[in-house]
Amino acid sequence: NAGVTQTPKFRILKIGQSMTLQCTQDMNHNYMYWYRQDPGMGLKLIYYSVGAGITDKGEVPNGYNVSRSTTEDFPLRLELAAPSQTSVYFCASSYSTGAGGLGSTDTQYFGPGTRLTVL
Amino acid sequence: AQSVAQPEDQVNVAEGNPLTVKCTYSVSGNPYLFWYVQYPNRGLQFLLKYITGDNLVKGSYGFEAEFNKSQTSFHLKKPSALVSDSALYFCAVRDGSDFNKFYFGSGTKLNVKP
Repeated sequence: NAGVTQTPKFRILKIGQSMTLQCTQDMNHNYMYWYRQDPGMGLKLIYYSVGAGITDKGEVPNGYNVSRSTTEDFPLRLELAAPSQTSVYFCASSYSTGAGGLGSTDTQYFGPGTRLTVL
Repeated sequence: AQSVAQPEDQVNVAEGNPLTVKCTYSVSGNPYLFWYVQYPNRGLQFLLKYITGDNLVKGSYGFEAEFNKSQTSFHLKKPSALVSDSALYFCAVRDGSDFNKFYFGSGTKLNVKP
């Protein structure tokens, strides 16, 4: 049971390049999340998904896209990288037993993070 | 708007002494509060949560947190600190309107010295 895995661990991009951050969980969790963590700041929610085929925007979605074709995978896409996207990105998952999150365990399991630098 | 504040960037404590890491929150509706810990180069790990019930919540590794509704606080505590407790601690709150969203504080670095 690997939990939540993320690849790559580190990446340097040039301005305007694109890339996909991969996230996979093997806990059969229905909810998945993408956060970014800037220095001295808390985590900011980028996108989340409540199940395969369903995604929604979080606090800071601009410049990112996501998809959820399977329960296990939740990739994050950066189309035109900008220096403002330099950050550490965390993927998380959780299990919910109720509609709208009610009844959820609410406990999120986090991956080890991807450190992205855009130059 | 929902928010979480951790007023201390860093807390220093000697091993064996009690520790407190502070957290205050602002949320509409009933607060659902969490503490997570982050070790270097690792993802966040769940410590404990308050949903309802007893104001004193016990969690992993001997940590506990006290929910105070009148002061809108959820301070993390431990009676006797260990050097291995040194890490970054995050307080989080679930959005009172959209239960799918969570807001995290900026984190408090805990340093426990031998």
